[in-house]
Amino acid sequence: GQQVMQIPQYQHVQEGEDFTTYCNSSTTLSNIQWYKQRPGGHPVFLIQLVKSGEVKKQKRLTFQFGEAKKNSSLHITATQTTDVGTYFCAGGSQGNLIFGKGTKLSVKP
Amino acid sequence: DTGVSQNPRHKITKRGQNVTFRCDPISEHNRLYWYRQTLGQGPEFLTYFQNEAQLEKSRLLSDRFSAERPKGSFSTLEIQRTEQGDSAMYLCASRSQGARYNEQFFGPGTRLTVL
Repeated sequence: GQQVMQIPQYQHVQEGEDFTTYCNSSTTLSNIQWYKQRPGGHPVFLIQLVKSGEVKKQKRLTFQFGEAKKNSSLHITATQTTDVGTYFCAGGSQGNLIFGKGTKLSVKP
Repeated sequence: DTGVSQNPRHKITKRGQNVTFRCDPISEHNRLYWYRQTLGQGPEFLTYFQNEAQLEKSRLLSDRFSAERPKGSFSTLEIQRTEQGDSAMYLCASRSQGARYNEQFFGPGTRLTVL
């Protein structure tokens, strides 16, 4: 079945450093979504990418969707302590979402 | 707050007992999803409804798991004859079909502990 893989599993950064997480799907996706889950919280939607090669920015966050619509990345510039949490990509296919295992980001002040 | 509510928030049960969880989605959302999340993993899709119709249930973990959404509003997830391996967070999410983005709004989850 369809699988969505994310790397790295963990990332520890110093505040102010950049952070990137990568997502790869075993199949072509109709869309990809990114969610953030704070410790003890539930996933919260960040963004959806639909078009091949699409790039979207939200302040310090940059999201990319690969040309083949099988991979994606999230880049955070100059991390802050408020960025702490687990970032999940989720591939859209046939009405449901398949989530990756997430990248847990910790930020040292 | 996202507006999706789940009850109970915590459930402790003994192995072999049946448990039922409830999800109340955002009122105008016609799609409702159930996920299971274990420590260090992403949400694992279980099933989803469009209104009262269950459109996908092949990913329910076993025949001990069942879900209903009888009137197209709230939904219940039942686990029969619980096992220790069922211990996890059970998340519900809802969304509006036809919205600009396919954003799913998650509830706070029900944490199940099977002793």
